[in-house]
Amino acid sequence: SQKIEQNSEALNIQEGKTATLTCNYTNYSPAYLQWYRQDPGRGPVFLLLIRENEKEKRKERLKVTFDTTLKQSLFHITASQPADSATYLCALEGSGNTPLVFGKGTRLSVIA
Amino acid sequence: NAGVTQTPKFRILKIGQSMTLQCTQDMNHNYMYWYRQDPGMGLKLIYYSVGAGITDKGEVPNGYNVSRSTTEDFPLRLELAAPSQTSVYFCASTGQGLGEKLFFGSGTQLSVL
Repeated sequence: SQKIEQNSEALNIQEGKTATLTCNYTNYSPAYLQWYRQDPGRGPVFLLLIRENEKEKRKERLKVTFDTTLKQSLFHITASQPADSATYLCALEGSGNTPLVFGKGTRLSVIA
Repeated sequence: NAGVTQTPKFRILKIGQSMTLQCTQDMNHNYMYWYRQDPGMGLKLIYYSVGAGITDKGEVPNGYNVSRSTTEDFPLRLELAAPSQTSVYFCASTGQGLGEKLFFGSGTQLSVL
């Protein structure tokens, strides 16, 4: 069956360091991969989308990579700040216009 | 610009009661979705709609019903509430579906006791 795994439930890093979150998938051929941020008590907010034929996407301090051979996406936050503390969700979308399927998320804590 | 609006924000139901979770969007989006989120379990799709008059089941549809009579509204109905339906429910929408970001509402926290 299709499976999406985000590397860990929680990740703690020091302010100023680069946070790297991992999203792995099996039995899936996504056309798109998206990353969302979710703060406590709120709905997810879209951050970045990367297509299957793209290797990397950047937006300000955020960078996403997509390796369809390894079936993995990495999400990087450079120069992390306490305000980056949140849960980050990856989501996959197939080519047949099927709805997004979400991973369980990784809770990131940036410590000052 | 309101985006996706969900009501109510919180609700407590007794086992066997019924209720409707409301969702409306003002972005003229064709695609709308209902997800539930349990602690540590991520978002699971309940139902979705690709346009007015069209709905389809997601991963966990049992115990729920939906309708889509207008582009703006996508209510979720719980007919006989069960403790297993205690969760946070999120409604989301997007314009054309494939390759587009979702806009989420702020969620409804439902407890069934």
